[in-house]
Parts: sequence; C-alpha cells; structure tokens
Amino acid sequence: EVQLVESGGGLVQPGRSLRLSCVASEFTFYDYAMHWVRQTPDKGLEWVSGISSNSDNIHYADSVKGRFTISRDNAKNALYLEMDSLRPEDTALYYCVKDNSYPYYFDLWGQGTQVTVSS
Amino acid sequence: DIQMTQSPSSLSASVGDRVTITCQASQDISYFLNWYQQKPGKAPRLLIYDASNLETGVPSRFSGSGSGTDFSFTINSLQPEDFATYYCQQYDDLPPTFFTFGPGTKVDVK
Repeated sequence: EVQLVESGGGLVQPGRSLRLSCVASEFTFYDYAMHWVRQTPDKGLEWVSGISSNSDNIHYADSVKGRFTISRDNAKNALYLEMDSLRPEDTALYYCVKDNSYPYYFDLWGQGTQVTVSS
Repeated sequence: DIQMTQSPSSLSASVGDRVTITCQASQDISYFLNWYQQKPGKAPRLLIYDASNLETGVPSRFSGSGSGTDFSFTINSLQPEDFATYYCQQYDDLPPTFFTFGPGTKVDVK
C-alpha cells in the first residue's frame, strides 16, 4: 500500500528537542520532494518545511527557521524533522507529505503525529 | 509573505445545493493554487491543482477557477460525503520555496 507513516511525536517541555520520522512505502521515494505540514485547531494548516528529492533544496517557514532541520535518507525511504528549542506554539499534529513535484501539490499525507510542548 | 483569505469561513447547505468558496491571495500568484478537502480525523485530500485541474479520481461536481489574486471553488450538487472543511493552498514559484494554506471553509448540513 502506498503510504507514509510518521512517528516520534509526544509530550516535551519547552526548550527541549524532538525528532520526527516518516517512512514511505510503495512509491519511488527518491523521486519526490517531501514536506512537513502541521495543523492546530486554532491556526489551521501550516507548511513547516520542504526538501527536494536529492536534498539540494531545503526551505523553512519563518516560524521554525533556525530551530527545525529537515532531512531525508533515500536509502531508507525516510524523512526526518529535528525540532530544537521547542515552544508551546509548536504544539500541533505534524503530517509528513509527499509532493507530486510538478505540477506542485501535496498528493499523499501520513496520518500525523501529535507534538505537545508543555511544562 | 503571501497571505491567503477564504470566504466564507463556514456555510450551511443542503444535499443538491451548489456551493462556492472564494480564496484571495495578497499578491499575484498566477495559477499556483490548489484546493483540498479535509474530514474530521483525516488528513487533507487534494481535489483541484493549479487553480482549475481536477485531480484524478475526484468527481466532476468539483471545479475550480481563477488566476492572479482571485480564485473560486465550486461543488455542483452537494453530496452527503462532501460535508467537510475545504482549504486553498498557494505556492510561490516554480519550483516552490514556500506554501501557504487558507484558513479553511467548513461546509455543514443546513
């Protein structure tokens, strides 16, 4: 089955770190750009970060720039998000998302992993 | 940064109704606009890409139009399974470096 499965979410104190992982199945992972998108009831959907198929191009939302690092391991069909200096406003459901990579749209989403930042 | 607004934020409709949602960008985004449907507890699902192109497998009652700063999304003859929240999404360039989602429009039962 074509799917994305996230893991690594949880409850973490402000200022601490957390690493999210996403494993892809049944598609040629190395051909596609990938993203992390988060969602909260208050702020809705927010694109967090994206990485090109070969990791040459990486982009971040201003809200996470300098604190979050996206990476991928094409040999393992895996996408990662290293989140440092976490803040309460980073609390959200984090989705791993596949980019169709022209035309540009998000055509496969994981089920999401919840990150809660609280003392 | 490009800001996206959607209207209305919510609407009530009946099965068989025609529903239209608008999305406005704070600056010209050409045709770089996608539409997604999200049901409670589920991830978003792509319906329309590049303003007016229907994703494979999506029923033809869904359509999109517009370019520049003003876009619209229409459901002709609303079906029971269409009650959901709809989001527009813009991207900034080819290839994109940034994406922004609209705040969403919740379509519920009248």
